[in-house]
Order: sequence, then C-alpha cells, then structure tokens
Amino acid sequence: DGGITQSPKYLFRKEGQNVTLSCEQNLNHDAMYWYRQDPGQGLRLIYYSQIVNDFQKGDIAEGYSVSREKKESFPLTVTSAQKNPTAFYLCASSIVTGTGGAEAFFGQGTRLTVV
Amino acid sequence: AQSVTQLGSHVSVSEGALVLLRCNYSSSVPPYLFWYVQYPNQGLQLLLKYTTGATLVKGINGFEAEFKKSETSFHLTKPSAHMSDAAEYFCAVSLTGGGNKLTFGTGTQLKVEL
Repeated sequence: DGGITQSPKYLFRKEGQNVTLSCEQNLNHDAMYWYRQDPGQGLRLIYYSQIVNDFQKGDIAEGYSVSREKKESFPLTVTSAQKNPTAFYLCASSIVTGTGGAEAFFGQGTRLTVV
Repeated sequence: AQSVTQLGSHVSVSEGALVLLRCNYSSSVPPYLFWYVQYPNQGLQLLLKYTTGATLVKGINGFEAEFKKSETSFHLTKPSAHMSDAAEYFCAVSLTGGGNKLTFGTGTQLKVEL
C-alpha cells in the first residue's frame, strides 16, 4: 500500500541529546514536509523540501535539521539546541504543482518526549 | 502572509444535530483551502478541498464546505453529527505559487454527545 511511514511512533530523549525521526514515502511525491504539533497551536512548519538535495526552512526551523538525499526519505534531527522539543511531529508529502493547491498526505506521527 | 483563524477551539453537539466548524482566512489573493480531520494520536486525513470552480465542496463522511470570498470564509458543515465524528478538525490554506506549503489553523475539537 502506498503511504508515508514515520518511525518510531514514540521516542524518549534525554536533555542534551540529538535524535532523528524517520519519514519514508512510497507515493513518488517530490515534496516532503515536517510539521510540529502542540496542543492549541495547530501544526507549524519546520522544514520542507520540493526536490532531492534541496530544502527550505519553515516557520520554526531553529534547533532542527533535515536532509533529503533520496526522494522517498526526509529524516528530521531534533538537536540539543531545540529548547522545548517535546511535541508530536508529523511528516507529510505532496506532488509539486506550479500553482499550489496540492493535497498533503500525512504519516501517523512520532511523539517525542524529553525525559 | 496568509493566515487561518478557526473560531472555537472546542465545539460540542448532540448526536444528530448540525455540525458547523468555522474557518476564516486572510489572503490578498484567492487561496486554496482544505479541511483535515485528526483522530487521537493519528496523522491528518483530508476531508475536502477547494481549488477552483464550484464554491460548495463535498467531502468524505458527509461533510461539506462553502468558499465565500466576500466573507473570506470556508466553514465546514455536516447535517447530522455521528459519534464517530468526534475528532479534531483543522482548516488549512495554501497560496498560488506558495510551493504547496500549508498554513494551518489552531484546530477545533469536536465533541459529540448522546
């Protein structure tokens, strides 16, 4: 079945550690996105990529890093510089259109907790 | 810059009653508009979207939304609520030439009571 797979579903991190969240898609989509979800704040864009080997910062990129070495993979690293990393992280993908308006398909999310 | 406002972070309805979830956007150009649903600890699922054409959009699970340019609104409705509709609902917008990025509202938690 086509879709987006995020792993792990739950992740615990000690303060000062970097952790990497995995996101893989087999939808053959060019664009991929990382969102952070906090209660009452909706989804906020961390990073996005529209083509392999290229990515752009979203609204809250500080303390995060990404890579896009393969079309199907877009891992997110939460670094120790991220002051408040506890949140629900969602990965999404879409086709790229010249005019916008493409539906985003979402993974099931990773819940990161700092302990 | 575009933004999305969802009025009411929590909405409660009785089973069988009308569901109305409000969404207003701010944009200097006509946007593309979306409604997504999220069940606990799950990802988001698309309910419906408006791109161009007919302003009344029908989606899955009996939901529909109407794009009203004059009111900059895209409210979500369902004639008769079901217990399975209890979830969080997000309105989102993307702009022409905006790289397909979605900007989300803060969400509305829908509770359906017997």
